[in-house]
Amino acid sequence: AQSVTQLGSHVSVSEGALVLLRCNYSSSVPPYLFWYVQYPNQGLQLLLKYTSAATLVKGINGFEAEFKKSETSFHLTKPSAHMSDAAEYFCAVSAGNTPLVFGKGTRLSVIA
Amino acid sequence: GAGVSQSPSNKVTEKGKDVELRCDPISGHTALYWYRQSLGQGLEFLIYFQGNSAPDKSGLPSDRFSAERTGGSVSTLTIQRTQQEDSAVYLCASSLELAGGSREETQYFGPGTRLLVL
Repeated sequence: AQSVTQLGSHVSVSEGALVLLRCNYSSSVPPYLFWYVQYPNQGLQLLLKYTSAATLVKGINGFEAEFKKSETSFHLTKPSAHMSDAAEYFCAVSAGNTPLVFGKGTRLSVIA
Repeated sequence: GAGVSQSPSNKVTEKGKDVELRCDPISGHTALYWYRQSLGQGLEFLIYFQGNSAPDKSGLPSDRFSAERTGGSVSTLTIQRTQQEDSAVYLCASSLELAGGSREETQYFGPGTRLLVL
């Protein structure tokens, strides 16, 4: 069985500040981990994924995430927030070729 | 098409009516998933298709929900006798089958159908 916990349903940062969105997972098998972003009234867009290769994964729009097995974490970061980053972010886990199990989501607000 | 498409984009219906939601996956993607996104429940898996068969229906919330897929492409999700708690965004995703029968792990999502049951 797999599960995902996203700490903080809402995160607010100033424009230009570091973005840190937290994700912890639980998986009985080596996990595949994903971050998706959802803009208002749109579907989910893949930001990045971890599939057992490099533990530091770089994605689109300047985001990256680091897989830490010892901490069962896959936190999403971006050095400098932009207004256009305001959206809802979902962390998800799968066993590979299985349905995704999502966290509850974190809404990111960026303050000018 | 270039991405996963879903129709209608919005649907308003009255309690007790049946609705059909359509998903058109990325061409060549043999795996197709339905998810539901609702307030308080987050994103929940409903059903998964491999080709035209559905080996995993474990997420369907009740027997009012059913889905089919024909020709290994388009899928329809049907909700009979809709209830207000069925109001949600229904998302479809597809993924590619690789050589040897395994599936690429990334799921690509459509824009969703927003269902409102009055």
